[in-house]
Amino acid sequence: NAGVTQTPKFRVLKTGQSMTLLCAQDMNHEYMYWYRQDPGMGLRLIHYSVGEGTTAKGEVPDGYNVSRLKKQNFLLGLESAAPSQTSVYFCASSYIAGSPSSGANVLTFGAGSRLTVL
Amino acid sequence: GNSVTQMEGPVTLSEEAFLTINCTYTATGYPSLFWYVQYPGEGLQLLLKATKADDKGSNKGFEATYRKETTSFHLEKGSVQVSDSAVYFCALSDWSGNTGKLIFGQGTTLQVKP
Repeated sequence: NAGVTQTPKFRVLKTGQSMTLLCAQDMNHEYMYWYRQDPGMGLRLIHYSVGEGTTAKGEVPDGYNVSRLKKQNFLLGLESAAPSQTSVYFCASSYIAGSPSSGANVLTFGAGSRLTVL
Repeated sequence: GNSVTQMEGPVTLSEEAFLTINCTYTATGYPSLFWYVQYPGEGLQLLLKATKADDKGSNKGFEATYRKETTSFHLEKGSVQVSDSAVYFCALSDWSGNTGKLIFGQGTTLQVKP
């Protein structure tokens, strides 16, 4: 019962370095999302994917790239990290509860990855 | 665009007190509404949801009713426990572009003292 697993849990980077956050889900969910959580701002959507091989921009995509080569994995990349990207990153996956017209989409979240950029 | 507004925290209560956390939303159409809870050091967990007007979601003693006329989804619990200390997020589902993404409020921290 792993659910959604994020690696690494913690990382410290220097400005300009690159890194990749990995999200893996074992629930055969179609939809996957990357959010960032900052104090007083709730969760903001970075990128999302509605299926294998497809990705799209969310609310705050600048400075990030993503890939969904396999249905179970969703990677978030930072090509050149900046201090403004210091945050806690959450991956989530989902199925559709009920019919699509009901609009209910229950997300399962990972435990988070805390990233500090110096 | 769609948005969610929650009451600012932190909210500090004594054990067995009554809890209300206000949540209002702005949305086109009829979104589904959710409350998620985040315990210290963990990810978010679904607490309850409601998919249409007048629906009441409930779980673990928490309740929230989807009020279309006031565009609200306030979270309530009759008697809080220390173990309820957490951050609570109100959210709505946004199906524009077939994304199914959730739009979150800023979160409300609840601290319950023994």
